[in-house]
Amino acid sequence: QVQLQQSGPGLVKPSQTLSLTCAISGDSVSSNNAVWNWIRQSPSRGLEWLGRTYYRSQWYNDYAVSVKGRITINPDTSKNQFSLQLNSVTPEDTAVYYCARDVDSLGQDYWGQGTPVTVSS
Amino acid sequence: DIRMTQSPSSLPASVGDRVTITCRASQSITYYLNWYQQKPGRAPKLLIYSASSLQGGVPSRFSGTGSGTDFTLTISSLQPEDFATYYCQQSYSAPKTFGQGTKVEIK
Repeated sequence: QVQLQQSGPGLVKPSQTLSLTCAISGDSVSSNNAVWNWIRQSPSRGLEWLGRTYYRSQWYNDYAVSVKGRITINPDTSKNQFSLQLNSVTPEDTAVYYCARDVDSLGQDYWGQGTPVTVSS
Repeated sequence: DIRMTQSPSSLPASVGDRVTITCRASQSITYYLNWYQQKPGRAPKLLIYSASSLQGGVPSRFSGTGSGTDFTLTISSLQPEDFATYYCQQSYSAPKTFGQGTKVEIK
């Protein structure tokens, strides 16, 4: 059974960096058929896919255009987890952030519990 | 980016009703279409992947059809636990965009 456990602060100041971690159990971040995603949800933007990391003989990342230049998703093989960093946040980045797995583009089948993040001074 | 448009946004219904939600993609996504159910305070739950394949553990009253640009999710006989918000998502290409959601609510 795959489980994803999120951790990170729920309050970030404007212009600072949002950092979240997703710890994986029951699968490997280096799996050759899994993809590890970050998704957020807010009333104004709905569900918004932010980006992904995956391993296929080498590491790949893809990011949404809406956050490109501000986002980094990194795998950590030693801890079997992956992280999200979003720089220069504004109140528009206030949302519930989720990590999620998908396999072979067949939908996100396992999700983290969600982390509500508020950007406010 | 591929735009996903769901209709209706809100769907009043009663227990036992047959419910249909539609999702249209702005370009062909072949069969790379997923459906999720979300209840308040919870993460989305995958119901259907590849347009018509039922995720393990999901009741058979849920079904999906379609290919190309037009897709439907059908609940054959609505149960009390099915009142929730439903989202479609394309997994044809990044970014994996979602529809805006359909809230199935008590009539």
